[in-house]
Amino acid sequence: NAGVMQNPRHLVRRRGQEARLRCSPVKGHSHVYWYRQLPEEGLKFMVYLQKENIIDESGMPKERFSAEFPKEGPSILRIQQVVRGDSAAYFCASSPIATVNTEAFFGQGTRLTVV
Amino acid sequence: KQEVTQIPAALSVPEGENLVLNCSFTDSAIYNLQWFRQDPGKGLTSLLLIQSSQREQTSGRLNASLDKSSGRSTLYIAASQPGDSATYLCAVTIGGRGGGADGLTFGKGTHLIIQP
Repeated sequence: NAGVMQNPRHLVRRRGQEARLRCSPVKGHSHVYWYRQLPEEGLKFMVYLQKENIIDESGMPKERFSAEFPKEGPSILRIQQVVRGDSAAYFCASSPIATVNTEAFFGQGTRLTVV
Repeated sequence: KQEVTQIPAALSVPEGENLVLNCSFTDSAIYNLQWFRQDPGKGLTSLLLIQSSQREQTSGRLNASLDKSSGRSTLYIAASQPGDSATYLCAVTIGGRGGGADGLTFGKGTHLIIQP
């Protein structure tokens, strides 16, 4: 019974490169959430997706960031032309249904370092 | 705008002590409050979830209380052990547009060290 799987665990990119972060939710979960944790900051919501749909992207930067959750395969958070300020831990969570009292399961995160 | 504050930011105590971590939030219109544990380089583990209609939840040596009207929660850890060393995060659910876990607002955490 695997939990939320994120890969890679650590990712180093040079400024201007693209970063792709992958998240496989708990089996049977169709709701995926991405959160970002900047150094010395709390986790901040970025985007909420269901299969093939973006439900809430109110926390996503307007430029360079995109997310998808295709019918088949993991959810992808894509950051184009990375800058040093993108260095952070990116966490993915999944839940079986979308209600406020449903526990979300978090992955181990991807730590992105931009050099 | 909801803000979650956790005090203290860091805490170091000898093994065996009972301790209390504090969490406060500015907007009492929450659905629930959760306490998470985050180990270095690892993900978050949910410890306790208190719904807005509840006053407390218990799991083993952990007890979390919620005073929604005053915007406060405490996490009580009894008989602390070195394995309890971790960062403890408090999060409130305010209801995101999607109605699910997009509505979590986190504090910055309390970094706890239990000395053997």
